[in-house]
Amino acid sequence: EAGVAQSPRYKIIEKRQSVAFWCNPISGHATLYWYQQILGQGPKLLIQFQNNGVVDDSQLPKDRFSAERLKGVDSTLKIQPAKLEDSAVYLCASSLEGRADTNEKLFFGSGTQLSVL
Amino acid sequence: AQSVTQLGSHVSVSEGALVLLRCNYSSSVPPYLFWYVQYPNQGLQLLLKYTSAATLVKGINGFEAEFKKSETSFHLTKPSAHMSDAAEYFCAVSARGFQKLVFGTGTRLLVSP
Repeated sequence: EAGVAQSPRYKIIEKRQSVAFWCNPISGHATLYWYQQILGQGPKLLIQFQNNGVVDDSQLPKDRFSAERLKGVDSTLKIQPAKLEDSAVYLCASSLEGRADTNEKLFFGSGTQLSVL
Repeated sequence: AQSVTQLGSHVSVSEGALVLLRCNYSSSVPPYLFWYVQYPNQGLQLLLKYTSAATLVKGINGFEAEFKKSETSFHLTKPSAHMSDAAEYFCAVSARGFQKLVFGTGTRLLVSP
C-alpha cells in the first residue's frame, strides 16, 4: 500500500519569499491534515480537511498561510510571505474518516523540511 | 481543551534495560490517548492507542502503556530495550474519538550497547 507522499523533501528560501508544499494522501482517505513541527516541539495541527472541505483551520495563520484540497484528493499548503519562525517540518497525514474510535489509522508522510533564511 | 506533558526531553537506557517514557494528560472530556514513534527522516508511526476499552494497551514492537485516570498518566514501557528502539516518541491526546491530535513535545530515547 502506497503511503502519504509529500514533496519537496527539503526547501530553503529567504524570508518574504513564498513557498508551496504538496501532499498526496493514501487513496480513498477522506480526511487530510497538515501539521507544523518546529524543532524541539511536537507537531501542531494547522488545518484539517474532510474531502475538499475545511473542518478546522483555527490554528492556521491565515494572514500568510493558505491551503486547499481540490477535488478532495491532493492538497497544497502555501506560505506567502515566509518568516524566519516558519522554519519547521511540515507534515501531511491522512485517514479514512478521521475517527479514532475505530480501527482506522492515521498515516503520516515523511514531511517537508523548510528553512527560512 | 486537551494537552499532554512529556517529562524528560531525553531518556537514555542500556540495551536490555527497561524503557519508561512518561506522559501526563489534561482533558475536560474522556480522552483518547496515543503514542507515536518517529525515526529519523520518517513519518510518525502509531505505536498504540487508548480508547477506553482496556486500561492496559499493548502496541507494536513490544511496547505497552497503562491508562491511569487517578494519576492522569499514560506512560509508555517496554521490558527490554533494543538498539532499534532509538527514536523520538510522542504522546498525543484527542477528544470524542476523533483523530485531531494534540501532541506533546516528544522524548528522544537513546539506547546504548
